[in-house]
Amino acid sequence: EPEVTQTPSHQVTQMGQEVILRCVPISNHLYFYWYRQILGQKVEFLVSFYNNEISEKSEIFDDQFSVERPDGSNFTLKIRSTKLEDSAMYFCASTAGGSVYTDTQYFGPGTRLTVL
Amino acid sequence: AQKITQTQPGMFVQEKEAVTLDCTYDTSDQSYGLFWYKQPSSGEMIFLIYQGSYDEQNATEGRYSLNFQKARKSANLVISASQLGDSAMYFCAMREFGNDMRFGAGTRLTVKP
Repeated sequence: EPEVTQTPSHQVTQMGQEVILRCVPISNHLYFYWYRQILGQKVEFLVSFYNNEISEKSEIFDDQFSVERPDGSNFTLKIRSTKLEDSAMYFCASTAGGSVYTDTQYFGPGTRLTVL
Repeated sequence: AQKITQTQPGMFVQEKEAVTLDCTYDTSDQSYGLFWYKQPSSGEMIFLIYQGSYDEQNATEGRYSLNFQKARKSANLVISASQLGDSAMYFCAMREFGNDMRFGAGTRLTVKP
């Protein structure tokens, strides 16, 4: 069964450093998402991406964040200058289409980011 | 305002018994989707079940069923015949037309042998 994959599974970085989190969505999916989950808290939406553009972003997704689909398979989340509060699990998700009725978002296993 | 409310931070259930995890939601849209995800201790998010706002029948997927009461804006997850492997966090989520998913705070389910 196809699945969303994410690398690395765990990333440790120093405050102020740039990190890039990588995702490979399910191959025929068209919509891509990033979510984060601070330890012990709920999952929070960051951004959605369709047709090489951001379609929606939350207030969390400020200028420190950017997303890119550099090729036909990868979808990346970049944090330019990490802060301690960026420490969280970051989930990538994808759907085949944008309909609320039929399109379940399938999540990757997550990347745990630790900012020291 | 909270879009998704899960009022049970933790629940216990005896193995082989059924358990209901509560979820209420807030929306003024007529078109929306409701989802339940399971998050085991390993951290991944596993899709369990989906209910569309116009679906007249409650969704079922194996041992999972969704008790959808539209007028009450509730979408409770029922797990029948609980297994030890069901111990995990369970998140209710909603997607409104044109928006992306909003999650509840989660319920930690512990299945006791």
